[in-house]
Amino acid sequence: NAGVTQTPKFRILKIGQSMTLQCAQDMNHNYMYWYRQDPGMGLKLIYYSVGAGITDKGEVPNGYNVSRSTTEDFPLRLELAAPSQTSVYFCASSYTAQNEQFFGPGTRLTVL
Amino acid sequence: GQNIDQPTEMTATEGAIVQINCTYQTSGFNGLFWYQQHAGEAPTFLSYNVLDGLEEKGRFSSFLSRSKGYSYLLLKELQMKDSASYLCATPNQAGTALIFGKGTTLSVSS
Repeated sequence: NAGVTQTPKFRILKIGQSMTLQCAQDMNHNYMYWYRQDPGMGLKLIYYSVGAGITDKGEVPNGYNVSRSTTEDFPLRLELAAPSQTSVYFCASSYTAQNEQFFGPGTRLTVL
Repeated sequence: GQNIDQPTEMTATEGAIVQINCTYQTSGFNGLFWYQQHAGEAPTFLSYNVLDGLEEKGRFSSFLSRSKGYSYLLLKELQMKDSASYLCATPNQAGTALIFGKGTTLSVSS
């Protein structure tokens, strides 16, 4: 099993550009999550999904969109990149919210 | 609402014991998680407590008091590789996602 995979590992964007961060898991988990982590800070929840076709906002959803068309994939879309979105983005998955979350390796995004 | 508090930084020496505290306020309680995160890496699961008391896993133990809204992570026989950030987290009110504290950065020196 590959677990949770994320692409790309690194990316530099210009202000106003768009991009999609990819996330996939092969553990048949229903729950998937997107977090961002700024230096010296904990993880902030952006969006989450409790199953295919169901998504909901977390603490910091503004500037992002998600979709969950399959159990395996949970892409995160940035439409108009801003410097405030410079961060490390982690995707995670779990059977339920009361189970261990497995994290991907992260995407380091810089917006200049 | 929910609020989770942890100390920002702690230091300790190899071989010592360290206790990392976490206090939380939540309107509905569904357990308390601890994760370890080494610099530049993803978080990894350490423990999950849903009932009061101490749970031991090798050199790491986690304690929970639901009435006090308090948990701690106890690390024994510290090693240099234990230098990392330790994140406390609890499920949100809907029980659908985790809310994380800011993490405690532990530095272990020789």
